Amino acid sequence: AQTVTQSQPEMSVQEAETVTLSCTYDTSESDYYLFWYKQPPSRQMILVIRQEAYKQQNATENRFSVNFQKAAKSFSLKISDSQLGDAAMYFCAYRSANNYGQNFVFGPGTRLSVLP
Amino acid sequence: SQTIHQWPATLVQPVGSPLSLECTVEGTSNPNLYWYRQAAGRGLQLLFYSVGIGQISSEVPQNLSASRPQDRQFILSSKKLLLSDSGFYLCAWSPIYEQYFGPGTRLTVT
Repeated sequence: AQTVTQSQPEMSVQEAETVTLSCTYDTSESDYYLFWYKQPPSRQMILVIRQEAYKQQNATENRFSVNFQKAAKSFSLKISDSQLGDAAMYFCAYRSANNYGQNFVFGPGTRLSVLP
Repeated sequence: SQTIHQWPATLVQPVGSPLSLECTVEGTSNPNLYWYRQAAGRGLQLLFYSVGIGQISSEVPQNLSASRPQDRQFILSSKKLLLSDSGFYLCAWSPIYEQYFGPGTRLTVT
């Protein structure tokens, strides 16, 4: 079974600075998808970014980018120019590409604080 | 565009009472649907998922059940609530790759 690990329970960053959240996963599959979700205090889960394992190019969405290292099974999220609204729980998630009906695997989350 | 609804938003129920949480998706057909529970400050625990009407898979044996009476409707139920059922319940749908979540229901069992 696949597992997702987020080794940083809490992180903090100064406003306008850059922060990187870590995520590692364990799988024997070669084709899969990885995601970062944000959960602000409202608790609405919001998709931040998606990475297909077959793509070598790292995904980017505005101030959010990932560093996808397939061989190392690492998938970190970089937030540039941090804003107060970035404060939230961030969850890393894995999904197999082999069965679209099946489960996602979520990590335990990292709580990010943004300091003014 | 697709929209996912959950209701109620907040619920306070006594121990031993029944439960029914509803999730509906608009703007798509035959979505994969999921129920998650999240304890305060914790990660997501998958409870049930469904790939079609009447098709329910349970991930964790517990006091809850799920049903999918219509293509875009997913219901989470319990006959008798326990204190441990308290938490934040999230419904999600999935087109192909990613999941999209509803606003959630905060359940407090007293």
